[in-house]
Amino acid sequence: QLQLQESGPGLVKPSETLSLTCNVSGGSISSGSYYWGWVRQPPGKGLEWIGSLYHDGATYHNPSLTSRISISVDTSKNQFSLILRSATAADTAVYYCGRHRGDYGDGLDYWGQGTRVTVSS
Amino acid sequence: QSVLTQPPSVSAAPGQKVTISCSGSSSNIGNNDVSWYQQVPGTAPKLLIYDNTKRPSGIPDRFSGSQSGTSATLGITGLQTGDEAYYYCGTWDTSLTAVVFGGGTRLTVL
Repeated sequence: QLQLQESGPGLVKPSETLSLTCNVSGGSISSGSYYWGWVRQPPGKGLEWIGSLYHDGATYHNPSLTSRISISVDTSKNQFSLILRSATAADTAVYYCGRHRGDYGDGLDYWGQGTRVTVSS
Repeated sequence: QSVLTQPPSVSAAPGQKVTISCSGSSSNIGNNDVSWYQQVPGTAPKLLIYDNTKRPSGIPDRFSGSQSGTSATLGITGLQTGDEAYYYCGTWDTSLTAVVFGGGTRLTVL
């Protein structure tokens, strides 16, 4: 059974960099034609797509965040990562990693449990 | 303001049927497949429907999806108290080049 687990600091200071990792187990991130993605959910609000990537390194970013984010993959560790620069309070959210059923526009069928990140001094 | 429009809330009695609408445009629902997710507060979203109408393994056939033009609909029959959750639609937006979600609909089973 495929499992995803997010990890990273729960507290980030304003203007600093938020860095999260999604560890994939129960399957190889390089197998099949799947995209892998990041989605966040601010407190009491809906879902927001951050970006997605393929195991060859191809990435797609939310245009509203693209200037501040980097998404990368480490196939040797079977994990992928998110970096969000110049964090503000508006970036406070639960961050989820997930697997798309196929292409980056397809639904996400596997999700991590989510990790709560607070941006505050 | 979400790109996809959903009603904030719907409600129905146990055993009844409910539908949740998701309205978009030609750049998203009109030309791309829709997915539906169920999210119980405090947990990760769960994929209910993909490619407009298909159910992943393990999702009961009480859940169904349809799409017509620039709108999509999630239907739930035989409502159970365990169906109380938030429901989100999502799809690709060709103009925005982004995955977009609806604002979510809270389902209450009275």
